[in-house]
Amino acid sequence: QTAVTQEPSFSVSPGETVTLTCGLTSGSVSSTSYPSWYQQTPGQAPRTFIYSTNIRSSGVPDRFSGSILGNKAALTITGAQADDESDYYCMLYMGSGIWVFGGGTKLTVL
Amino acid sequence: QVQLQESGPGLVKPSGTLSLTCSVSGGSIRSSSYYWGWIRQPPGKGLEWIGIIFYGGNTYYNPSLKSRVSISVDTSKNQFSLKVTSVTAADTAFYYCASHRRDVGSWFVDHWGQGTLITVSS
Repeated sequence: QTAVTQEPSFSVSPGETVTLTCGLTSGSVSSTSYPSWYQQTPGQAPRTFIYSTNIRSSGVPDRFSGSILGNKAALTITGAQADDESDYYCMLYMGSGIWVFGGGTKLTVL
Repeated sequence: QVQLQESGPGLVKPSGTLSLTCSVSGGSIRSSSYYWGWIRQPPGKGLEWIGIIFYGGNTYYNPSLKSRVSISVDTSKNQFSLKVTSVTAADTAFYYCASHRRDVGSWFVDHWGQGTLITVSS
């Protein structure tokens, strides 16, 4: 069964740019995978951040952007800030009504 | 604005059945733009997609859970429900109900319940 891959962890300094990726163990991510990204802080429910590859949810700062880079979906933070420190999960559509989450990336800003 | 609220017992015995209900407010469960679903997260671990249902009854399940999971909808109460049978400690998790919005060119989780912790223990 195809799995969704994410970097387990990433560290960035304030003000720097970081790109998190979301791939497949078999095949390529495309727009028809409907890639979406969710932010989760400790003790809270996830919050929808980016959907349909590159559409920001209401209230999400424009320093966050989504794209397809090569064969993966990507979430880029341009000018990371301290309160961006969270877990980020991507979710991909596998077809036949089935969705799969990646394992999540723990982003540290220091 | 759709709001979702999970309800159900917080403790389930091993080999028993986990049952949860999600109440939908701020929108109709009969909406053709939505699938209604469940996602879980074991404490300290990642998210796992469980499955979704359309109000007309079509269901789609995580293949790894399909033999033990069922999702149903009660349009008269604007609710949908999850049942997981033959539970073990591995089913201990925060369970979130989530609306999956589908439009032309997009399909994603747009609203989440606050989540409820279900513990499997004797």
